[in-house]
Amino acid sequence: SQTIHQWPATLVQPVGSPLSLECTVEGTSNPNLYWYRQAAGRGLQLLFYSVGIGQISSEVPQNLSASRPQDRQFILSSKKLLLSDSGFYLCAWRGDTWARGGNTIYFGEGSWLTVV
Amino acid sequence: KNEVEQSPQNLTAQEGEFITINCSYSVGISALHWLQQHPGGGIVSLFMLSSGKKKHGRLIATINIQEKHSSLHITASHPRDSAVYICAVCPYSGGGADGLTFGKGTHLIIQP
Repeated sequence: SQTIHQWPATLVQPVGSPLSLECTVEGTSNPNLYWYRQAAGRGLQLLFYSVGIGQISSEVPQNLSASRPQDRQFILSSKKLLLSDSGFYLCAWRGDTWARGGNTIYFGEGSWLTVV
Repeated sequence: KNEVEQSPQNLTAQEGEFITINCSYSVGISALHWLQQHPGGGIVSLFMLSSGKKKHGRLIATINIQEKHSSLHITASHPRDSAVYICAVCPYSGGGADGLTFGKGTHLIIQP
């Protein structure tokens, strides 16, 4: 069966410090991968998605970046965090075909980031 | 542009009441998801619908594709049902790569 893991679950970082959130998927291949963010009082917003290794599409310009060094690994990074980066970050995957779970989306456990 | 509207935004009810949360969207979709988020917790997928109706325990989800509308019902509500319920849709156009469009969520509180 397919699983998705995301870490760390919570972190408190000072302004200007770097960030790295990691997400891995097991039990499938060539998944579509997504990073979402939920800021306080707002709905989930798509930040990045990837359809393959090294292929990243950005939905929202910001000081965050994403990378996909391996087929089932998706990393969200920042070189210098801002206060406005605080929020709930969620990784998700969807199969690239209907046979590989493309008709639904699966979520990681989420990461709570507080920038102080 | 696809828009997802949920109502109500906030709902407080007494234990045992029948709860309905509504979701409307503006474009053709391949699937609609109902998600649950407990305070301080992650997001769990409750249902994925493309037509008709699904039931899981005390939760029922329905969708009307022609009217672009879905409802989530909770029967015999309980304080542990208190959470944010989020509607999300996967549009036909670009849905394979660009993921879901989310509603802003309905904050439900069930009082004992």
